[in-house]
Amino acid sequence: AQTVTQSQPEMSVQEAETVTLSCTYDTSENNYYLFWYKQPPSRQMILVIRQEAYKQQNATENRFSVNFQKAAKSFSLKISDSQLGDTAMYFCAFMSFNRNTGKLIFGQGTTLQVKP
Amino acid sequence: ETGVTQTPRHLVMGMTNKKSLKCEQHLGHNAMYWYKQSAKKPLELMFVYNFKEQTENNSVPSRFSPECPNSSHLFLHLHTLQPEDSALYLCASSQESRDTQYFGPGTRLTVL
Repeated sequence: AQTVTQSQPEMSVQEAETVTLSCTYDTSENNYYLFWYKQPPSRQMILVIRQEAYKQQNATENRFSVNFQKAAKSFSLKISDSQLGDTAMYFCAFMSFNRNTGKLIFGQGTTLQVKP
Repeated sequence: ETGVTQTPRHLVMGMTNKKSLKCEQHLGHNAMYWYKQSAKKPLELMFVYNFKEQTENNSVPSRFSPECPNSSHLFLHLHTLQPEDSALYLCASSQESRDTQYFGPGTRLTVL
């Protein structure tokens, strides 16, 4: 069974600095998708970034980028130039390509506090 | 309304009540999902519907009964719930099952 682990329950960063959130996963499959979702306090969960496992190039979205290490089964999220609006809970998630069920398996989440 | 909407946003019910949660997506998607988000636990997938057909039931107790009358609407019927069922219930949708899921704001359920 696939599992996703986020080992940092809480993190903080000063505004304008860079922070990296860790995520590891376990799977025996070769084709899958990985996601980072952001859930601001009392607000809707939104997609931050998506990575296809067959792509070697790391995904980037503006200030957000990932370090995808397939052999190590690691998928960390780097937030550059942190802003107060980045304060949120961040979830790492895994989806199998082969099973085609749409089942997302989430990690426990990391609460990020951006300090002014 | 745009995106994925959920009603009600908050619900308090007794263990003997029957209530329903509603989800509507305005994105033209074909797949819809129910998730449960409890404190200090990862989000758990409950049900998946593809083209109105249930394709995944993640061993959910029968006191939770989903209904998907069309690709735009998803309901979760609740009856005889337990206090441990108190949680945030999130609905999501995606174009197809392998595509990115878009989430609604959730319904905060409290079972007394």
